Amino acid sequence: DAGVIQSPRHEVTEMGQEVTLRCKPISGHNSLFWYRQTMMRGLELLIYFNNNVPIDDSGMPEDRFSAKMPNASFSTLKIQPSEPRDSAVYFCASSTPPSNQETQYFGPGTRLLVL
Amino acid sequence: GQNIDQPTEMTATEGAIVQINCTYQTSGFNGLFWYQQHAGEAPTFLSYNVLDGLEEKGRFSSFLSRSKGYSYLLLKELQMKDSASYLCAVAAGRALTFGSGTRLQVQP
Repeated sequence: DAGVIQSPRHEVTEMGQEVTLRCKPISGHNSLFWYRQTMMRGLELLIYFNNNVPIDDSGMPEDRFSAKMPNASFSTLKIQPSEPRDSAVYFCASSTPPSNQETQYFGPGTRLLVL
Repeated sequence: GQNIDQPTEMTATEGAIVQINCTYQTSGFNGLFWYQQHAGEAPTFLSYNVLDGLEEKGRFSSFLSRSKGYSYLLLKELQMKDSASYLCAVAAGRALTFGSGTRLQVQP
């Protein structure tokens, strides 16, 4: 299996522009998670989906952030308009619950820089 | 809410043993995970504890005490490649809350 796939790996954009991050979870995994990592705040959960349905979006910073999962093999995280404080590494992770342990597997991340 | 504490940095010598502690206060508990993250890379799964006691996996072991809200990760026979950040994460439901991570530097 190729693991969790994220694109782009790096993104540099200007303040005010729209940014779309993409994620393909591991085939067969039914949960997908979006995280953001910064030096100041560490690794924070933004939103997660179960069977393509958003379950908890309490970590989404504000209305500028939105996430969708139109099917089991694809999800997007969109920032519109982007701001310099959105600069971070955005990770996507997926999991499936084998028995009572649910391990999340992370993608390589998208390094976002907003100028 | 969730509160997870772990030391910011640790230094150890190649071949030695190091213990990284994690304390937590959570409103729910479905297990505790340890992840390893090398600089510039994604976190990778190391261990999972849901019951009290020690789980051993090769050079790495993880311990959990639910009554004390305490876990540790034990790394034996340290190698230079073990230099990384180690993240403690508590599961409540299906979501994980991560600690800020402990940056371990292994010296020759």
